[in-house]
Parts: sequence; C-alpha cells; structure tokens
Amino acid sequence: EVQLVQSGAEVKKPGESLKISCKGSGYSFTSYWIGWVRQMPGKGLEWMGIIYPGDSDTRYSPSFQGQVTISADKSISTAYLQWSSLKASDTAMYYCARAEAVGATRFGAFDIWGQGTMVTVSS
Amino acid sequence: AIRMTQSPSSFSASTGDRVTITCRASQGISSYLAWYQQKPGKAPKLLIYAASTLQSGVPSRFSGSGSGTDFTLTISCLQSEDFATYYCQQYYSYQTFGQGTKVEIK
Repeated sequence: EVQLVQSGAEVKKPGESLKISCKGSGYSFTSYWIGWVRQMPGKGLEWMGIIYPGDSDTRYSPSFQGQVTISADKSISTAYLQWSSLKASDTAMYYCARAEAVGATRFGAFDIWGQGTMVTVSS
Repeated sequence: AIRMTQSPSSFSASTGDRVTITCRASQGISSYLAWYQQKPGKAPKLLIYAASTLQSGVPSRFSGSGSGTDFTLTISCLQSEDFATYYCQQYYSYQTFGQGTKVEIK
C-alpha cells in the first residue's frame, strides 16, 4: 500500500526549533516529489514548498521562503519540514503529500497525503 | 505568483442537487488544475487532475472542465458524503490552492 506516515503532534514554545517528518512507503520514494501544505485552524490550504528526494531539488512558496526548511533523507524514505524559531502564528496542521514528477523539473497534483501533524506553539 | 479564486465561498444544497463550483486563475495555466475534497479532521483527497481526469476510485458523479483561466467542478447528483470543502489547485507554476468552497446541507 502506498502511504505517507507523518510524525505525531507537537506542542512547543515560541522560539523553539522543530523538525517534523513524513515517511513514504509502498513506492519508489526517489521518483516522486514530496510537498508540504499548511492549514491554520479553520482556514484553507496553503502550499509551502516541495522537494524531489532523488536529487534534493527544492522549491519554496515566496510566503514561506526563509521561514522553514524542507529536506529529505532518501536512505530512509523520509522528508522533513523544520523551523529554527517557532512563532505562535506557526500553529497549524501540516500535511505532506506526494506529487508525480512531470518532465525533468515539474510536478503534478498531490495524489497521496499524509495524515497530518498538528503543531501548537504557545507560551 | 498565480492566484486562484473560487466561487462561491460556501453554499447550501440538498441531496440529489447538481452543483457547480468555479475556479479562476490569475493567468493561463493550460490544464494544470486539480480539485480536492476535504472533510473535517481529514486530509484532502484528490478528485480530479489535469482539469478533467477523474482520479482512480472517485465516483463518476464528479466531473471537471475548463482550460486556460476558467475551470469548473460539477457534482451531478449530490450525495450525503459529498458535503465537504472543495479546493482547486494549479500546478502550472509551482502550486497554489484556491480559498475553498464549503458545501453545506440545506
């Protein structure tokens, strides 16, 4: 079964660092892109960025560039989303999702989603 | 960045209704358009990609159309399990989601 399994919920204080994970299984992890999507409480979906684990090619939304870091360890089929200094406004559900590679540098829609990781930042 | 605008933001409908949601891109995106369904507390689910291609396992009452800047998602006969929020997404240049359309029970 093709699936993405995300790490568990986190409760952090402002200023702390955090790295959440997304482990792929049931498919060739290095042949698909993995993206990250934020959903703040009661709000819509926001595309944060995406990585191709095969060569670590990474793209960021301008809204999230410099705010988070996306990485991947293909040896363990896991992608990561990390913050160096959390803010209360980072409180949200974060989803990882898989996208097909289209040509050499493009990606398709998200066909497989993780279950989500809830991040709560509060003093 | 490409902006995606959905309309309406929400509406009420009854089981059996034919419903249509529209999505407009701020610039041409060819057919690089997907539709997702999200239910409360759940991850989004891909319904349609390439503007009109039904994802495997999705009921045929869902259909998509359009190209360029204007797109529609149609549910031909609304079922109880279809009450949810729907998002369009462009993947022509990076990715962007629309703001969502909530379909509620009348």
